[in-house]
Amino acid sequence: GESVGLHLPTLSVQEGDNSIINCAYSNSASDYFIWYKQESGKGPQFIIDIRSNMDKRQGQRVTVLLNKTVKHLSLQIAATQPGDSAVYFCAENNYGQNFVFGPGTRLSVLP
Amino acid sequence: GAGVSQSPSNKVTEKGKDVELRCDPISGHTALYWYRQSLGQGLEFLIYFQGNSAPDKSGLPSDRFSAERTGGSVSTLTIQRTQQEDSAVYLCASRLETGSQETQYFGPGTRLLVL
Repeated sequence: GESVGLHLPTLSVQEGDNSIINCAYSNSASDYFIWYKQESGKGPQFIIDIRSNMDKRQGQRVTVLLNKTVKHLSLQIAATQPGDSAVYFCAENNYGQNFVFGPGTRLSVLP
Repeated sequence: GAGVSQSPSNKVTEKGKDVELRCDPISGHTALYWYRQSLGQGLEFLIYFQGNSAPDKSGLPSDRFSAERTGGSVSTLTIQRTQQEDSAVYLCASRLETGSQETQYFGPGTRLLVL
């Protein structure tokens, strides 16, 4: 389930289960969205992106869904593994200008 | 070429001192971004460069913060008269160019601790 940690919301899932991380973005004019994974002590790492003319995009074990009507973005991770434990950030971009990041969600994979 | 690199990786300084943080972007990337990340927090935008110019400086928290980029490559972020609240991880990212739907690539960050 979800709980609010010190600063970040935390999602705890059992190893092997699917994870869904949600993000609400702010700018209806944003045309490009990215999910990043940040492990402890490292910079954010690109996972998957999606353009505003799409509503779904799949990668390896990851799927991003975009609902422009309600300005919602989600990241689905299939068969979650211990190595997936990290903080996940969504980011939105508006016509090439600055990126705006969401607050992040900490994913904790339980053995 | 290689990824984004930042130096130093860690910096401990005394309150009131100036610090300079360096970012080497991916070769050929024209856009460069600076962010600040406090412990357990998200990314706070500071400034971005397109080439050597900075169209958006809106994120710089005070006039103690400045950044420059020369030769369309290396960038330095300078914090003058550091304060304890400046303690954070400073992340740099580069991108092929602005105006494109391309991701940015992050460096490992500089961990700044102001005593």
